[in-house]
Amino acid sequence: DTGVSQDPRHKITKRGQNVTFRCDPISEHNRLYWYRQTLGQGPEFLTYFQNEAQLEKSRLLSDRFSAERPKGSFSTLEIQRTEQGDSAMYLCASSSGREASYEQYFGPGTRLTVT
Amino acid sequence: LAKTTQPISMDSYEGQEVNITCSHNNIATNDYITWYQQFPSQGPRFIIQGYKTKVTNEVASLFIPADRKSSTLSLPRVSLSDTAVYYCLVGISGGYNKLIFGAGTRLAVHP
Repeated sequence: DTGVSQDPRHKITKRGQNVTFRCDPISEHNRLYWYRQTLGQGPEFLTYFQNEAQLEKSRLLSDRFSAERPKGSFSTLEIQRTEQGDSAMYLCASSSGREASYEQYFGPGTRLTVT
Repeated sequence: LAKTTQPISMDSYEGQEVNITCSHNNIATNDYITWYQQFPSQGPRFIIQGYKTKVTNEVASLFIPADRKSSTLSLPRVSLSDTAVYYCLVGISGGYNKLIFGAGTRLAVHP
């Protein structure tokens, strides 16, 4: 399977704990995005990487959130001191960056439940 | 940013053609119109993209009038497996194509 993969698929954690999610994009894609989706809403943009450079962070991404993409390959999203409001589906997407193309390939997501 | 407005939900029956219209009155000259589909517990999937007139692929057609202030996604002969949420997005001019999703249209296809 050469699609975007995310790990884990589900994570249950207690409030105050740290969690880390991983995303492996399609290998030839240099652009990587993180989104968050809550029930009944569309995905919300969190952050964007071009290769290893993080070029934008949404205001939704508080100081407790950090993302990395070392070597421009896989990416990790870490949430420190989780809160119940962090419960959501965290989606990763990648794209090739062709001009005027808005086709992004999404992974299956990581569903986070904070108890 | 161009805001999009689409119906919250729609119902259809197997074999029918479904048309979902999206309004985007403030679309910019360089913006493209893109539609995504999302099944429960899955990430969104790109369906189709267009700039003007009509675009057709193996899954759907996209109709865009000359003023580009709206667009219509047409799904021919839907089946139960087309039950999903459909999102209309208008691309941000230039940059890296950050996607801005609205609430989408929940399409329910009935037998």
